[in-house]
Amino acid sequence: NAGVTQTPKFRVLKTGQSMTLLCAQDMNHEYMYWYRQDPGMGLRLIHYSVGEGTTAKGEVPDGYNVSRLKKQNFLLGLESAAPSQTSVYFCASSTGEDYGYTFGSGTRLTVV
Amino acid sequence: GEDVEQSLFLSVREGDSSVINCTYTDSSSTYLYWYKQEPGAGLQLLTYIFSNMDMKQDQRLTVLLNKKDKHLSLRIADTQTGDSAIYFCAESFSYSSASKIIFGSGTRLSIRP
Repeated sequence: NAGVTQTPKFRVLKTGQSMTLLCAQDMNHEYMYWYRQDPGMGLRLIHYSVGEGTTAKGEVPDGYNVSRLKKQNFLLGLESAAPSQTSVYFCASSTGEDYGYTFGSGTRLTVV
Repeated sequence: GEDVEQSLFLSVREGDSSVINCTYTDSSSTYLYWYKQEPGAGLQLLTYIFSNMDMKQDQRLTVLLNKKDKHLSLRIADTQTGDSAIYFCAESFSYSSASKIIFGSGTRLSIRP
């Protein structure tokens, strides 16, 4: 009964390095989302996917790329990390109906 | 554009009721939500209300929706130390091929003895 699992939980990157955050869900949800959470700013949508093989931009997509090759996985990539990308990243999934999202426990990323 | 606003902090005495308020701008919202985030954890859906309802009650939680004023509130009765968390108000509406949820910046609820 895992729900939404994010890996890694913590990561420190140097400016210019790249990394991929993995989100996996076992609820057969069609929709998946990546958010970032910054103090006093709530959650901001980075990218989302409405099904396997699809991706779309959210509010703050610059500097990030995503892929949804398998229905259960949604990957968030940072090609060249910048200090402004220091944040807590949350993945979420849903059935697509308006009954709310299921969130992962987050990845805390620090870019130095 | 769409916006959800809520105050950043609320402090209440243990045993009292907590009322967390939220205002939103998009009148086409279908559902409105309250999420709870405990330290180091993701957001957990607490409750939601359909936009054609005025009130929803679930044990210690009461949600009130005033569509005219675009105001949503969450009342927690008999507040306990375990209620300490950040509470996010959110609204959803359909656009393109997906429903979209917009979150407020969160209200940090602290409980004093």
